Amino acid sequence: KNEVEQSPQNLTAQEGEFITINCSYSVGISALHWLQQHPGGGIVSLFMLSSGKKKHGRLIATINIQEKHSSLHITASHPRDSAVYICAVPSTQGAQKLVFGQGTRLTINP
Amino acid sequence: EAQVTQNPRYLITVTGKKLTVTCSQNMNHEYMSWYRQDPGLGLRQIYYSMNVEVTDKGDVPEGYKVSRKEKRNFPLILESPSPNQTSLYFCASSFGLASYNEQFFGPGTRLTVL
Repeated sequence: KNEVEQSPQNLTAQEGEFITINCSYSVGISALHWLQQHPGGGIVSLFMLSSGKKKHGRLIATINIQEKHSSLHITASHPRDSAVYICAVPSTQGAQKLVFGQGTRLTINP
Repeated sequence: EAQVTQNPRYLITVTGKKLTVTCSQNMNHEYMSWYRQDPGLGLRQIYYSMNVEVTDKGDVPEGYKVSRKEKRNFPLILESPSPNQTSLYFCASSFGLASYNEQFFGPGTRLTVL
């Protein structure tokens, strides 16, 4: 089973700061997901990437396949970015399954 | 609007009383899955379905059943709920295999079993 570690577990920052959330996994993969879970509980998909970098608005996701590591960056953070960010990778048991990290709780103070 | 719906959103029940949580998607997705989320354990897969009449166990299937009689619906059945099934449940769907396709999540069902 692929093991997924996220860091930090909790992160508090001031509005406007540059945020980095990290995700490491144990087994080589072909794709990685970043998800956002709102304070109300709903989950949305932010990115799915297999190489390089993807950008959507103030969010940037990068992946280094050789180092088995991905990062999610938020530029010019805002209180509405406060959420739990979760990375997920394919299970070694097959592409029909995902293994999730435990999440990083981000709080942005005004 | 493309969406995954779940019902009920909140449910408090007692041990042993059979219940069903419904999940429906309107995006013609082939793949559907159920997850539970518990503090400190993250999201864990219960069951998944690759298509109509094709279902398989995830990592924590004990105490749960599913069915996929129609492409759009994937109900989760707890035949005899127990307190350790108190959790937040999410249904998700995608066009194809979970690993290579964007996942669309339902709003979640918070279940308490007394």
